[in-house]
Amino acid sequence: DIVMTQSPDSLAVSLGERATINCTSSQSVLYSSRNKNYLAWYQQKPGQPPKLLIYWASTRESGVPDRFSGSGSETDFTLTISSLQAEDVAVYYCHQYDTTPWTFGQGTKVEIK
Amino acid sequence: EVQLVESGGGLVQPGGSLRLSCVASGFTVSSNYMNWVRQAPGKGLEWVSVIYSGGSAYYAESVKGRFTMSRDNSKNTIYLQMNSLRAADTAVYYCARDSFMADWGQGTLVTVSS
Repeated sequence: DIVMTQSPDSLAVSLGERATINCTSSQSVLYSSRNKNYLAWYQQKPGQPPKLLIYWASTRESGVPDRFSGSGSETDFTLTISSLQAEDVAVYYCHQYDTTPWTFGQGTKVEIK
Repeated sequence: EVQLVESGGGLVQPGGSLRLSCVASGFTVSSNYMNWVRQAPGKGLEWVSVIYSGGSAYYAESVKGRFTMSRDNSKNTIYLQMNSLRAADTAVYYCARDSFMADWGQGTLVTVSS
């Protein structure tokens, strides 16, 4: 199974500052022939289902603010919130959909400092 | 508009069974990958199963042999038959569309307890 490890487990960032979450996979999730990384990011707020933010590692879902961006390839990925807003307080998960069993990271809790 | 509505959760004793349903609207389930994902109270997300558009289904090791995912194209609905339930299966169960899960239902709570 591909193990997804996020860091940090939690972080506190001041409003308007940058938040960076890392995700490492135990093996590459790059599908070379398609040149696509099978990696997504989700945001989950309390009492709500997860919401897709980013897929193919860097493609922003429609309607997601452009302060959210994804980067990385093969085994190392990053979700960046360029200017943290109050409504961004949530838990964020990475997810690989390259190989079953599909797997999630353990989650990173983002709070306001 | 895409909508996913889960039902069928509830309280069940260890060793019991439940069948979850997820009714889809706004798209055709048979043309998409459909997933079940669960979240134990206060915990992270755990992928449970997927059914491909071709009909093949795959499972997490933790549920293999006990859970079966299926779909009814005429009802545009997917199911999760859960047998031999354990306390560790207690969770909110979500259905989600696509490999990168673009759309999610609100979830249904399954509690396994005596």
